[in-house]
Amino acid sequence: QTVVTQEPSFSVSPGATVTLTCGLSSGSVSTSYYPSWYQQTPGQAPRTLIYNTNSRSSGVPDRFSGSILGNKAALTIRGAQADDESYFYCMLYISSGIWVFGGGTKLTVL
Amino acid sequence: QVQLVESGGGVVQPGESLRLSCAASGFTFSTSAIYWVRQAPGKGLEWLTFMRSDESIKYYAASVKGRFTISRDYSKDTLYLHMGSLRPEDTAVYYCAKDGGNYNVDYWGQGTLVTVSS
Repeated sequence: QTVVTQEPSFSVSPGATVTLTCGLSSGSVSTSYYPSWYQQTPGQAPRTLIYNTNSRSSGVPDRFSGSILGNKAALTIRGAQADDESYFYCMLYISSGIWVFGGGTKLTVL
Repeated sequence: QVQLVESGGGVVQPGESLRLSCAASGFTFSTSAIYWVRQAPGKGLEWLTFMRSDESIKYYAASVKGRFTISRDYSKDTLYLHMGSLRPEDTAVYYCAKDGGNYNVDYWGQGTLVTVSS
């Protein structure tokens, strides 16, 4: 069974840059996994940030960017703001009709 | 604007069935692939199922395969999730979501809560 790994939590200071990662329990993440990223605040539906590794969804500020760093997908947030404090989930298309979400990263801005 | 509105959630007993609906508007429903994703209380997101726009392909997560069925009614622009043999671990908020064309979700519904409890 494929497990998608994310940092359980991360802290960032206001105005700083933070990079969250999305890996595989076995193997490397590449663009072939079509990594996408979603932001969710408690009690709300998720919001799509990034798709196809590095394409921003409509209306998403360019402070958010996606990439492949080493063997993981990455979400970089520049100039962290208080309202960035939320959960971030990555999703990978594993293959043959299977999608898997990572466990999510709780981002704290303080 | 794109809207996805789920309904049909509620409290059911283990072993029972339930059908969730998702009313779509603001986009061409007939040419869009669709997902269902759920989130158990206090937990992360879990992909459940995907259906291609023409229903030619349907995929299911192992956790629901054989118990859940995805379908759509083109005349009503509505997506359904038929859930059978429900278990307490199926308790979650269920989201329908539109495919963005790159194996990703681009729009999400607001979710509907299903509670399986005796």
